[in-house]
Amino acid sequence: DTAVSQTPKYLVTQMGNDKSIKCEQNLGHDTMYWYKQDSKKFLKIMFSYNNKELIINETVPNRFSPKSPDKAHLNLHINSLELGDSAVYFCASSQDGSQETQYFGPGTRLLVL
Amino acid sequence: AQKITQTQPGMFVQEKEAVTLDCTYDTSDQSYGLFWYKQPSSGEMIFLIYQGSYDEQNATEGRYSLNFQKARKSANLVISASQLGDSAMYFCAMRGLSNFGNEKLTFGTGTRLTIIP
Repeated sequence: DTAVSQTPKYLVTQMGNDKSIKCEQNLGHDTMYWYKQDSKKFLKIMFSYNNKELIINETVPNRFSPKSPDKAHLNLHINSLELGDSAVYFCASSQDGSQETQYFGPGTRLLVL
Repeated sequence: AQKITQTQPGMFVQEKEAVTLDCTYDTSDQSYGLFWYKQPSSGEMIFLIYQGSYDEQNATEGRYSLNFQKARKSANLVISASQLGDSAMYFCAMRGLSNFGNEKLTFGTGTRLTIIP
């Protein structure tokens, strides 16, 4: 069974469109995260949710909005996509966001044309 | 603020040799954790090993060991008896406090390791 899954795996879209990426974890973890990996492979945290509550929101444009319907799911919605949004987006989860290892999903490769 | 530095953008190592990937960190936190992740060409992020700042013993997981030198603020990854399947990007990361007072991972820029047959 896949521990942390993301859909879609690849996403190609036009500038200005709105798109969503879904993430689900079946590990029973309390905390979920979104990371962005740019073209130079640099990974940076975007959001963190603990039990459906936002606890980290790094300097991310308002066009990005995370939604957590329950603690097993954390979706990322992006409005008015820009060329610079092209990246790989990783979802991750951990038990309580403090002492535990984060486990990553397979990533979603977003290309904005 | 936390900072992770990986000074080796790329390394080439002969198969079966041991390899050390460097990682230094900077933090004002008293309690923190250090992680290594592997990212193969397929793109997924694979957790390898963890070291807590208060752990007295260096962490080991199979062929992976973490050479933790707290005074020097270094947390190098050692891979023994390298295999072709070890070719990948390797990221060092540190768990520390965010601006919100909660914990987050800060990643280094990565080292691309290539194992030569």
